[in-house]
Amino acid sequence: DTAVSQTPKYLVTQMGNDKSIKCEQNLGHDTMYWYKQDSKKFLKIMFSYNNKELIINETVPNRFSPKSPDKAHLNLHINSLELGDSAVYFCASSRSAGVPTGELFFGEGSRLTVL
Amino acid sequence: TQLLEQSPQFLSIQEGENLTVYCNSSSVFSSLQWYRQEPGEGPVLLVTVVTGGEVKKLKRLTFQFGDARKDSSLHITAAQPGDTGLYLCAGANSNYQLIWGAGTKLIIKP
Repeated sequence: DTAVSQTPKYLVTQMGNDKSIKCEQNLGHDTMYWYKQDSKKFLKIMFSYNNKELIINETVPNRFSPKSPDKAHLNLHINSLELGDSAVYFCASSRSAGVPTGELFFGEGSRLTVL
Repeated sequence: TQLLEQSPQFLSIQEGENLTVYCNSSSVFSSLQWYRQEPGEGPVLLVTVVTGGEVKKLKRLTFQFGDARKDSSLHITAAQPGDTGLYLCAGANSNYQLIWGAGTKLIIKP
């Protein structure tokens, strides 16, 4: 009964392809996030949605497009994959975006390798 | 730009030793969180500190928030191999966004 689950866990693909990563949370949280963790383990926020509404959109190439069909799901679609997109992508959720002490619950990560 | 610097970046010690890792910034945070990440998994929250000077203990782990709420430390007593992992600090700014440190990779050798 995983709280935040994302699929696939591993993704190996060729440059130029389009791929999607899906995320679902069963915690009843209002806010969901996508983070990118590079090879140096630095966690960088990409997007945040609160009740299906985009609230954080960091400087991310527009090849990356998040979609939140409902507040329990946040998917990430990536067009025209590049070598530099290789990383581990983490989905996370929190109770509310407006709570500074709110705990983030992370999924297990999706390791994307672009060849 | 708000930054959180963690030090050391990497630490490898023997089981039973004590250690301290640091999280420093020139910015003030409303709260600061510490997470531990194990290989192949996402970060998991260990503790949140809110008040300047606050000290929280979690078994052998002691967390302190600086008086000015700009820095924090994590002290581990008698480290165990199970403490191995990546320790990340994250500070909440006035916009309620989390600013992440780059992490301290800790290895405890049996």
